[in-house]
Amino acid sequence: DGGITQSPKYLFRKEGQNVTLSCEQNLNHDAMYWYRQDPGQGLRLIYYSQIVNDFQKGDIAEGYSVSREKKESFPLTVTSAQKNPTAFYLCASSSTLEGLARGGYTFGSGTRLTVV
Amino acid sequence: GNSVTQMEGPVTLSEEAFLTINCTYTATGYPSLFWYVQYPGEGLQLLLKATKADDKGSNKGFEATYRKETTSFHLEKGSVQVSDSAVYFCAHRGSNYKLTFGKGTLLTVNP
Repeated sequence: DGGITQSPKYLFRKEGQNVTLSCEQNLNHDAMYWYRQDPGQGLRLIYYSQIVNDFQKGDIAEGYSVSREKKESFPLTVTSAQKNPTAFYLCASSSTLEGLARGGYTFGSGTRLTVV
Repeated sequence: GNSVTQMEGPVTLSEEAFLTINCTYTATGYPSLFWYVQYPGEGLQLLLKATKADDKGSNKGFEATYRKETTSFHLEKGSVQVSDSAVYFCAHRGSNYKLTFGKGTLLTVNP
């Protein structure tokens, strides 16, 4: 079955370290997204990519970086510049083809990052 | 700009009660509308959707009707169960393909 996989499910980071969260999809979706969710809060868009080798900043991109070298993969790096990285991170993907684009996003199961 | 406003929670109901979570949106054109559900510690799952005016989306006993005249997409269920306890997000997707989410509504159903 097609889907979107995030790993790891739980991640612990020491202050000052960079960490990379993995997101892989086999849905043949062009677009991929990263969201941050804090306890009791909604979703905030970090970065998104609508095509390979291209990505745009979302609402809270500072302290994060991404790459999109393959259609299937959209890893997120949380850098040491991110002041408050402890949160739940969600990856999503979607089609951009007319018709299919009127469908929603498919989400991964999330990665919970904790700074220790 | 595009926005989604949904009823603030938390909402607490007894089992078998009627549920309504209000959602209104602002957008240009004719966006697709969605309700997502998030169970504790998990990602979001698509609950239902509607792609044009007067469409009714339904799934697992939940329903929502795309009302263009009132720019609304309220979520309803006639008889909630304990297993429906989750956070519910309303969203719309316009011509730029990006989803705009509401802030989410926490629903707790007690036995």
